[in-house]
Amino acid sequence: DAKTTQPTSMDCAEGRAANLPCNHSTISGNEYVYWYRQIHSQGPQYIIHGLKNNETNEMASLIITEDRKSSTLILPHATLRDTAVYYCIVSCTSGTYKYIFGTGTRLKVLA
Amino acid sequence: EAQVTQNPRYLITVTGKKLTVTCSQNMNHEYMSWYRQDPGLGLRQIYYSMNVEVTDKGDVPEGYKVSRKEKRNFPLILESPSPNQTSLYFCASSPPPGDLTGELFFGEGSRLTVL
Repeated sequence: DAKTTQPTSMDCAEGRAANLPCNHSTISGNEYVYWYRQIHSQGPQYIIHGLKNNETNEMASLIITEDRKSSTLILPHATLRDTAVYYCIVSCTSGTYKYIFGTGTRLKVLA
Repeated sequence: EAQVTQNPRYLITVTGKKLTVTCSQNMNHEYMSWYRQDPGLGLRQIYYSMNVEVTDKGDVPEGYKVSRKEKRNFPLILESPSPNQTSLYFCASSPPPGDLTGELFFGEGSRLTVL
């Protein structure tokens, strides 16, 4: 099962771009990269996902390296409401069909 | 409105008293899953189900049971709860993992305390 590695915590100034890295060096060719965030103890919320091309939606952008071993979630203009724990996960599509969450990155947006 | 509903949201119980946490989704999703969340440990998968009558163990299945008799429901059963099962529990559903639109939808969580 492909696992991910993320920094434990990061700070970002309000209004600046927040760049959250994720390493998934054992990802398989047909596995997607997903990003979720969790605010306090609420249920995690989907942000974005991708296979190999960069993706953008109204919340964020996802940049996946050409070798697919790492990715970066970009929140273009971070606000205080973006303070949360961000999880990068890889969906396992062969064998176990698990979504494996790690401990994520605790992002704190500073005023 | 698309949603995953868990009940109860909060529960305090005693060791050994069987309990069931219900989970229901209205999106006709094939895939459903249970997670527990403990401080410093992130989200850990307990059980998942690929479809009706198809369930499999996650990373921390000990002490839990599940069933999937209907597509929309995926209850989590604690036959004999113990204090180490005190945790925040989340149910989630999605189309099949790896599907182009296979995002997970989470419930609001059930905070369980076992005394």
